[in-house]
Formats: sequence, C-alpha cells, structure tokens
Amino acid sequence: QKEVEQNSGPLSVPEGAIASLNCTYSDRVSQSFFWYRQYSGKSPELIMSIYSNGDKEDGRFTAQLNKASQYVSLLIRDSQPSDSATYLCAVYSYSGAGSYQLTFGKGTKLSVIP
Amino acid sequence: KAGVTQTPRYLIKTRGQQVTLSCSPISGHRSVSWYQQTPGQGLQFLFEYFSETQRNKGNFPGRFSGRQFSNSRSEMNVSTLELGDSALYLCASSLAGTSAINEQFFGPGTRLTVL
Repeated sequence: QKEVEQNSGPLSVPEGAIASLNCTYSDRVSQSFFWYRQYSGKSPELIMSIYSNGDKEDGRFTAQLNKASQYVSLLIRDSQPSDSATYLCAVYSYSGAGSYQLTFGKGTKLSVIP
Repeated sequence: KAGVTQTPRYLIKTRGQQVTLSCSPISGHRSVSWYQQTPGQGLQFLFEYFSETQRNKGNFPGRFSGRQFSNSRSEMNVSTLELGDSALYLCASSLAGTSAINEQFFGPGTRLTVL
C-alpha cells in the first residue's frame, strides 16, 4: 500500500521565520508531488506542484524534491500568521490500467506566532 | 473561471438512510475524484471518474458508489449509512488524461453527519 508520511506537528514558528515542512513517500515510481494548504473548516487548496528533482520556487514558497531519498519538502519564507493552516503532502502514483491515484499524508499543522 | 461546486454543503442523516452528493467540476475538466476526510484517517480516496467511466477505486465498501454524466458532473451515493460515515466529502476535478501531471482542484466539500 502506497504511504505518504508527514509529521503531524503542530509546528510553531515566529512571524518572519522560515517554516520547513517535510514529507516522505513509499512508492519509488511516484511521479508527481503536490502541496495543499487547508484552513480549518475549509477544503484543501493547491499551492505547489513539483515533478522533477530539485527546487521549485513560487513567491514565498519553495518545494524541494529528492526522488532518490523519496522525500519532498515545502519551505515557507517570511512566514505570516495567515500561513497558519494544515499542509497536506500528496503523491501521484500509477495505480494500473492507465490510471493514477493521489495519496495524501495526514498533514502538518503549522502555527505562525505574531 | 468558476471553481468546483458541491451540493449540498451540509447534510444530517440517520443510520440506515442513503445519501446522494453532487459535484460540478471546473469547466473543461473531465476527471472527477471523490475523497472522504475524517480527523482520524485524513483524506482517503474513494473513486475517480473520467468520461462517465470509473477509472479508479479506493478501498471502500460497496455501499459507496458514484457516477459521472456526459457533462462531467458527478454524483456519489452512500447507502445504508453508518455512524462512521460522518465525514467531509470532497470532490476534486482535473483536466484528466493519463498524464501524471494532473493537478486536482477541490470543491468546498459536503459535511455529512450521521446520527
């Protein structure tokens, strides 16, 4: 069974600091990796996608992927109280018969302290 | 462009009843996936529909079923409701195809409470 593991947190960082969120996955042939942000009582919102090894930057967010180590991370620079949410790591893997399945970690709760 | 819409937003049912949830994907998106989210289990994949066909299915009992219409709108049905079915049910749409580069966008969800 394909698994995606995240530290549940809570992860507390002061305002303006860098928040580092980590995720490991079990399926070596996974091809696509996503980070979603979910505010309490809301649905997940896609914030980053990454498909190849290395870093991908989008504003204050940087996703990092290391397929050899089966590890993906999300860095949030200059963290703001509005970044306080649960961050979900999701991994897209081939599940047979021409289809892919998105498997989610249970999420890391981030709290940014003013 | 309008996002994914789900109806109803809230539902209260009793054990043994059945329920139907509806999802309208983003215009142009042909794939619809359904997920169940609970505090204990997180987000779990139910099934995916593409071109009116179920393309993928998660590990849920047969009481959970779905379908997709020619306009890509999708419904999921849960029969013989159990207390453990209380959850947030999320629908996500994507452009589809068989590419692994397939970003999914979520609707607001339907909060189902089974009493």
